[in-house]
Amino acid sequence: GENVEQHPSTLSVQEGDSAVIKCTYSDSASNYFPWYKQELGKRPQLIIDIRSNVGEKKDQRIAVTLNKTAKHFSLHITETQPEDSAVYFCAASKWEGMRFGAGTRLTVKP
Amino acid sequence: NAGVMQNPRHLVRRRGQEARLRCSPMKGHSHVYWYRQLPEEGLKFMVYLQKENIIDESGMPKERFSAEFPKEGPSILRIQQVVRGDSAAYFCASSPSSTGGTQYFGPGTRLLVL
Repeated sequence: GENVEQHPSTLSVQEGDSAVIKCTYSDSASNYFPWYKQELGKRPQLIIDIRSNVGEKKDQRIAVTLNKTAKHFSLHITETQPEDSAVYFCAASKWEGMRFGAGTRLTVKP
Repeated sequence: NAGVMQNPRHLVRRRGQEARLRCSPMKGHSHVYWYRQLPEEGLKFMVYLQKENIIDESGMPKERFSAEFPKEGPSILRIQQVVRGDSAAYFCASSPSSTGGTQYFGPGTRLLVL
């Protein structure tokens, strides 16, 4: 089955800096790669996703890149703000339930 | 347009009791997924259902856990004879299609086993 690894597990940045979170996956048949943000005690919220026929996608300060050959994808957050502090999860799936990475706790220091 | 709904939001059970968690998908969504999140950990896939069918239960523990999504009514995750290790947040998600469809999460049910 699919195995998703995520790094780093914790990330601390200064407000205004960029943050990058990386994930690798094992199943070459996976074709959908979402990123979720989860604040303490809340549900995971989709922030951006990418499908296997696209190499990069951007939405304001958030971008995701996908390298299908290497089976890895990354989340980039620019101009970080304190409200970006949360746990971020990557996931991979094809037709079934998503397999999630272990999460990255991002702290943005003012 | 209501989102994914789960109830109860909090559930307390004693060891050996049964827990029933309910999930109503978003309107127009016919695919339901259950995930478990242990404290301070990530989300683990449990089961994927369509109406009246279990499509993938590879993440479901073999004993004490079952799930259904009847033709009418919400999806139900049932945990029999709960143990302390079952204490977790259980999230349901729904999507309109199975082929890499975006999944939207409900607010979760936080189960505490005493």
